[in-house]
Amino acid sequence: DAGVTQSPTHLIKTRGQQVTLRCSPKSGHDTVSWYQQALGQGPQFIFQYYEEEERQRGNFPDRFSGHQFPNYSSELNVNALLLGDSALYLCASSLLAGRPAQYFGPGTRLTVL
Amino acid sequence: GESVGLHLPTLSVQEGDNSIINCAYSNSASDYFIWYKQESGKGPQFIIDIRSNMDKRQGQRVTVLLNKTVKHLSLQIAATQPGDSAVYFCAEGILSGGYNKLIFGAGTRLAVHP
Repeated sequence: DAGVTQSPTHLIKTRGQQVTLRCSPKSGHDTVSWYQQALGQGPQFIFQYYEEEERQRGNFPDRFSGHQFPNYSSELNVNALLLGDSALYLCASSLLAGRPAQYFGPGTRLTVL
Repeated sequence: GESVGLHLPTLSVQEGDNSIINCAYSNSASDYFIWYKQESGKGPQFIIDIRSNMDKRQGQRVTVLLNKTVKHLSLQIAATQPGDSAVYFCAEGILSGGYNKLIFGAGTRLAVHP
């Protein structure tokens, strides 16, 4: 039973560029959430997708956007990258009708130079 | 604002001892709580969860206690092993219209010494 997978593992970008991160949820899950984790801090909720729509959003600017596909996989897009966007981006999946526990992938380490 | 905090940023224990990691939360409307373990370079790993209408839940070698009166959560690890060394997060779960999000604190580092 495959867990949550994310790609790429690491990414280096420069300020002003755009980036797309990808996530495949755990088998049987239909809901995907994205979190940003700065070094030495706990993850912060960015947004959550269910049935291909954004259902909840945290305190992140519109530069952060996402998408969910019919197979439940998801993408996180960040435009106009800032140095402060450097972080570990985590994808978590869950089953809307099941227990609310979210299961995390290994993350994508984004470095903005 | 919403926040989940921890009393001890670092906890050092001897192998074989029991560990207790504490967490204070501020949102009394939270619906559930989850403890995660995060090893260096990895994503958070689910350990155990507890709904807000419970005060205790046990898993394999772990017990979570919830005291809603003082908004306090703890994770007890029995017979701590070197493999338990990691950063532990408590996360507060909030359900809204059927959807849920997690609010994390800064974490507690657990160091297990032989």
